[in-house]
Amino acid sequence: DQQVKQNSPSLSVQEGRISILNCDYTNSMFDYFLWYKKYPAEGPTFLISISSIKDKNEDGRFTVFLNKSAKHLSLHIVPSQPGDSAVYFCAALTQGGSEKLVFGKGTKLTVNP
Amino acid sequence: DADVTQTPRNRITKTGKRIMLECSQTKGHDRMYWYRQDPGLGLRLIYYSFDVKDINKGEISDGYSVSRQAQAKFSLSLESAIPNQTALYFCATSDLRDRRGTDTQYFGPGTRLTVL
Repeated sequence: DQQVKQNSPSLSVQEGRISILNCDYTNSMFDYFLWYKKYPAEGPTFLISISSIKDKNEDGRFTVFLNKSAKHLSLHIVPSQPGDSAVYFCAALTQGGSEKLVFGKGTKLTVNP
Repeated sequence: DADVTQTPRNRITKTGKRIMLECSQTKGHDRMYWYRQDPGLGLRLIYYSFDVKDINKGEISDGYSVSRQAQAKFSLSLESAIPNQTALYFCATSDLRDRRGTDTQYFGPGTRLTVL
């Protein structure tokens, strides 16, 4: 049973436009969410996170939105750049619980020049 | 220098062979993890260790074993490799005292393992 779902395996956008990557979760005990970015031949790197006490967190061109009632979060990249082309993983955990990250399957973003 | 290193970076082996993948970290973190990545399946947790004396099974531990030799070292063994263990393997570390206050994990560069 997949607790963290990224239903779009891939996304293609034009440089300068907005990229929106979506993530849904089923476990209501999750209270912290993270996005990781992965380039080929490298390990994933942390990008941005959000606690369940917030509905938005912004860091430069990256913003994560959390809708707890819908168990949905999204990552917005504005403006998108070719260097943003990578696989993006959504992850979730329960703080104070097992504290193991549960990852989605990832979405491959391609930003075209 | 990388904070989390993995050796080897690439390995091709045959069915039935014993393989050890090694991970070292200089971040001083207590927590270490092993994941595998398969196309279309994302990252799945194999084993994790919250300190030197603590070893826990993850989602897909069958066919694998681990050893936490020191705070900085966490190795993954395939006692008898089989072809469906062909995957990309990642080690990661985290520190509950991270300024973010939660389990942000830092990943190594990965080991590409092929079992023929």
